[in-house]
Amino acid sequence: AQSVTQLDSQVPVFEEAPVELRCNYSSSVSVYLFWYVQYPNQGLQLLLKYLSGSTLVKGINGFEAEFNKSQTSFHLRKPSVHISDTAEYFCAVSDRSSSASKIIFGSGTRLSIRP
Amino acid sequence: NAGVTQTPKFRVLKTGQSMTLLCAQDMNHEYMYWYRQDPGMGLRLIHYSVGEGTTAKGEVPDGYNVSRLKKQNFLLGLESAAPSQTSVYFCASSQTSSEQFFGPGTRLTVL
Repeated sequence: AQSVTQLDSQVPVFEEAPVELRCNYSSSVSVYLFWYVQYPNQGLQLLLKYLSGSTLVKGINGFEAEFNKSQTSFHLRKPSVHISDTAEYFCAVSDRSSSASKIIFGSGTRLSIRP
Repeated sequence: NAGVTQTPKFRVLKTGQSMTLLCAQDMNHEYMYWYRQDPGMGLRLIHYSVGEGTTAKGEVPDGYNVSRLKKQNFLLGLESAAPSQTSVYFCASSQTSSEQFFGPGTRLTVL
């Protein structure tokens, strides 16, 4: 079984400052890793995903994440945030070998951008 | 290409009433899922389907039933709604384990 821990429930940052949203996972099998973003009153949208290969993954809107297998982490970063990045961010994991493609989500981190 | 759509967008029920949420996808995906989202708890899987005519229980299946009579549709039913089922419900679909596509959600309030 897998689990995901997002260490911060809320992260306030100033506009144009860098941000890191932390995510740790637990799994006994090989996994895929994801970050999803949810803007206010909307559904979830895929931000980026790690399937294999390079451990540094680039996503939409200038976000990137680094897969660290030894630390079982998949932290999300952006060098300079904008007001439009205000949203809730979910880290998620799925079992590579599962035919059902089930995804386990973390509890979410709410990113609030201050002008 | 509409992607994943959900009907209705909002609903208010009284305790004990029943209702069905409809999810439709036009991407010919095999897998479909129903989640509920509650504050501070992320998304929790209610039921899922790995193909037409199949369903399986997820993490929080109690009080819900599902059906997948057609590949493009996945129905979520509440037979006797309870206040604890007040939540936002999301449907998703996928073809592989590399990504799920989500609908816009249904906000359900049970009084």
